[in-house]
Amino acid sequence: GQNIDQPTEMTATEGAIVQINCTYQTSGFNGLFWYQQHAGEAPTFLSYNVLDGLEEKGRFSSFLSRSKGYSYLLLKELQMKDSASYLCAVRVMTTDSWGKLQFGAGTQVVVTP
Amino acid sequence: DSGVTQTPKHLITATGQRVTLRCSPRSGDLSVYWYQQSLDQGLQFLIQYYNGEERAKGNILERFSAQQFPDLHSELNLSSLELGDSALYFCASSPRGGLLSGANVLTFGAGSRLTVL
Repeated sequence: GQNIDQPTEMTATEGAIVQINCTYQTSGFNGLFWYQQHAGEAPTFLSYNVLDGLEEKGRFSSFLSRSKGYSYLLLKELQMKDSASYLCAVRVMTTDSWGKLQFGAGTQVVVTP
Repeated sequence: DSGVTQTPKHLITATGQRVTLRCSPRSGDLSVYWYQQSLDQGLQFLIQYYNGEERAKGNILERFSAQQFPDLHSELNLSSLELGDSALYFCASSPRGGLLSGANVLTFGAGSRLTVL
């Protein structure tokens, strides 16, 4: 099976930077995704990494190290609307090569004024 | 509006009952996925369909079943409901299925909140 770990909650101030770490232990790794989920709403896609390195998208960046089973999501210039749960998800190979996406429990980010 | 439509938005029922949740994928998407999200748990993958065929199965209980119809909409049937089945059930769709499809990002619907009393 897969084991995906991320912190339960993080608090940061408006305008600051927060880094959410995600570690995973899995066989058949085939990509890592980050989703944002506001309370009671649908998750929305933020970023995708399949090769090692940093992917930057505006205020959000995501990093992957496959050898370490590690990723982080970096949120810069935090805004109040960034208060949400951030879900790390790992896609793994299946025997029929179709793959499955497994989610971590999510990190609740609280942005304070 | 993500383009993925789920009905009903809210459903309250009693233990032992059966319910059906419906999902219409985004136009052009062939894959449909079902996830369960309980209060104290993350998104749990239940099942995936691609163009009408079951492609991957997760931790789906035997009391639950799903199907995808020729028009690509999908239904998740939950029977002999228990208190522990109370959760948000999300449907997601993607353009394709399979690992050779690059990012193949999932687009989620707004969810169906099921309360079992």
